[in-house]
Amino acid sequence: DAKTTQPPSMDCAEGRAANLPCNHSTISGNEYVYWYRQIHSQGPQYIIHGLKNNETNEMASLIITEDRKSSTLILPHATLRDTAVYYCIVSPRGGSNYKLTFGKGTLLTVNP
Amino acid sequence: DGGITQSPKYLFRKEGQNVTLSCEQNLNHDAMYWYRQDPGQGLRLIYYSQIVNDFQKGDIAEGYSVSREKKESFPLTVTSAQKNPTAFYLCASSIDRATEAFFGQGTRLTVV
Repeated sequence: DAKTTQPPSMDCAEGRAANLPCNHSTISGNEYVYWYRQIHSQGPQYIIHGLKNNETNEMASLIITEDRKSSTLILPHATLRDTAVYYCIVSPRGGSNYKLTFGKGTLLTVNP
Repeated sequence: DGGITQSPKYLFRKEGQNVTLSCEQNLNHDAMYWYRQDPGQGLRLIYYSQIVNDFQKGDIAEGYSVSREKKESFPLTVTSAQKNPTAFYLCASSIDRATEAFFGQGTRLTVV
């Protein structure tokens, strides 16, 4: 039972902003939105998470819509090293239902 | 230099043999996880452990076994009962089940 929907692939020009969408229309009130990425043949890397407010860290920004049914991960200045599969996950933060379930994600290709 | 270490990076075994994959972390994390990834697919949860001497089945536990005798170690045994063991195996840990997970670099198991 997929809880998130992401496009299978996206392209972005180097130096431009990469905006990765995620639909999570059935998100519950206590579920957070997490983003991870996986560079080919490596372990996934945590990027950012949020509940309802927009969040920013040194890697990316996370914009969550007011109704929390969708979100966008923004890489402000994409580089070739940002080419990876990006996973959007929703999960409660802690508790017996906490589980990170990774779907197929979005393959972001950053082109020179 | 803290982190999660999985060894070996590549592992080959003959069909019918049990094999144990190592996962060690020096992050002092309570929670640890094992995931399996098949080509072109997302990650699927095999087992997770919230604390020493306790572990729970994930979505695809059949044919696998784990132990958690020490906080820093969470080995995974792929038994002969696992029908399609060839895959990329990823170990992760988090401070507790409420926080973001950190992943190792994975072990690629090939059964011939």
